[in-house]
Amino acid sequence: DTGVSQDPRHKITKRGQNVTFRCDPISEHNRLYWYRQTLGQGPEFLTYFQNEAQLEKSRLLSDRFSAERPKGSFSTLEIQRTEQGDSAMYLCASSLGSGVIYGYTFGSGTRLTVV
Amino acid sequence: AQSVSQHNHHVILSEAASLELGCNYSYGGTVNLFWYVQYPGQHLQLLLKYFSGDPLVKGIKGFEAEFIKSKFSFNLRKPSVQWSDTAEYFCAVSPANNAGNMLTFGGGTRLMVKP
Repeated sequence: DTGVSQDPRHKITKRGQNVTFRCDPISEHNRLYWYRQTLGQGPEFLTYFQNEAQLEKSRLLSDRFSAERPKGSFSTLEIQRTEQGDSAMYLCASSLGSGVIYGYTFGSGTRLTVV
Repeated sequence: AQSVSQHNHHVILSEAASLELGCNYSYGGTVNLFWYVQYPGQHLQLLLKYFSGDPLVKGIKGFEAEFIKSKFSFNLRKPSVQWSDTAEYFCAVSPANNAGNMLTFGGGTRLMVKP
């Protein structure tokens, strides 16, 4: 399978704990995006990388959130001191260039439940 | 900031019925427009896109969409739906002058096609 892989698929954590998600994009894609989707809503942009550089962060990304993409390959999204409001589906997408021509390729997401 | 409105949250159709899903956006400048689809249990996939040229664009599986600039709309259509079109459909927009192509999604329309 040469799609976008996300791990884990599901994560249940207690409030206050830290969690980390991983995304492995399509290997030749230089851009990687993180989105968050809550129930009944469309995905909301969080941040994106071009190669290893984080070029844009949404104001949704509080200081409890941090993302990295070392070496321009896989990416991690960490949430510190989780809150119940962080419960959502976290989606990763990658694209070759801006994604306007070919669109994004999305992963299946990591569903986070904070109890 | 831009926003996207999808008027119908749930649509139920019988097979062979015609489909039109509404999408309106608010943004004063030039935009790129997308429809993504999420089939049950699968990841988001690009259905079609518009970024320039003919405002009537054709996508996969017989879908088409028409960009009407004066109405800020990008409605999705299909002349005859099939049971396999049961899915959630998301309209998305990005400013054309934004190098990052960060998408703003609508809330989605859940389509159920009855056999």
